Amino acid sequence: QKEVEQNSGPLSVPEGAIASLNCTYSDRVSQSFFWYRQYSGKSPELIMSIYSNGDKEDGRFTAQLNKASQYVSLLIRDSQPSDSATYLCAVNSGNTDKLIFGTGTRLQVFP
Amino acid sequence: NAGVTQTPKFQVLKTGQSMTLQCAQDMNHNSMYWYRQDPGMGLRLIYYSASEGTTDKGEVPNGYNVSRLNKREFSLRLESAAPSQTSVYFCASTQRGDTEAFFGQGTRLTVV
Repeated sequence: QKEVEQNSGPLSVPEGAIASLNCTYSDRVSQSFFWYRQYSGKSPELIMSIYSNGDKEDGRFTAQLNKASQYVSLLIRDSQPSDSATYLCAVNSGNTDKLIFGTGTRLQVFP
Repeated sequence: NAGVTQTPKFQVLKTGQSMTLQCAQDMNHNSMYWYRQDPGMGLRLIYYSASEGTTDKGEVPNGYNVSRLNKREFSLRLESAAPSQTSVYFCASTQRGDTEAFFGQGTRLTVV
């Protein structure tokens, strides 16, 4: 079992809709959670980080964390074609500096 | 303002050849990482280094060695390249494991 699991997609949503991306992790001592966006042929870049249970909002993006369920999600409101990319969930264990990524979910936003 | 610099950007190797991928960061970060990315596999951690002089295995360390030469540099060595090591390799650095990771531009390696 991979430590960080994501649905590979593609997830297709129309422009203006809400895109919902999900991630589960297996290490219960994990403390830090991240969402990275990667455009085709480019390097990943950070969108959101979240460290405590609940929601964290930044513009059109909302990260949600539920440590009891070992689940983290990313909501993208008012999706735009420019949001089309692969979204990578990453988890850091509280005991080490190891940073583990999921397989990524490819998001397609169509006009 | 270079950030994380990887060299080379592209490389073709023959099976059995060796090579070293170089990575340097100028952000005074403590932690550095090497990942490989294959289609549909996301980023898989090869090795990481939490500080100068320390290295630890990640998810897929077999066939690789690393050196944390100093705080700035973290190299990845393939001693005897195999076609299964054909991939895109990314180096990354963070201040600590719980902070934002910055990535290099990637190295596209093909082993024939």
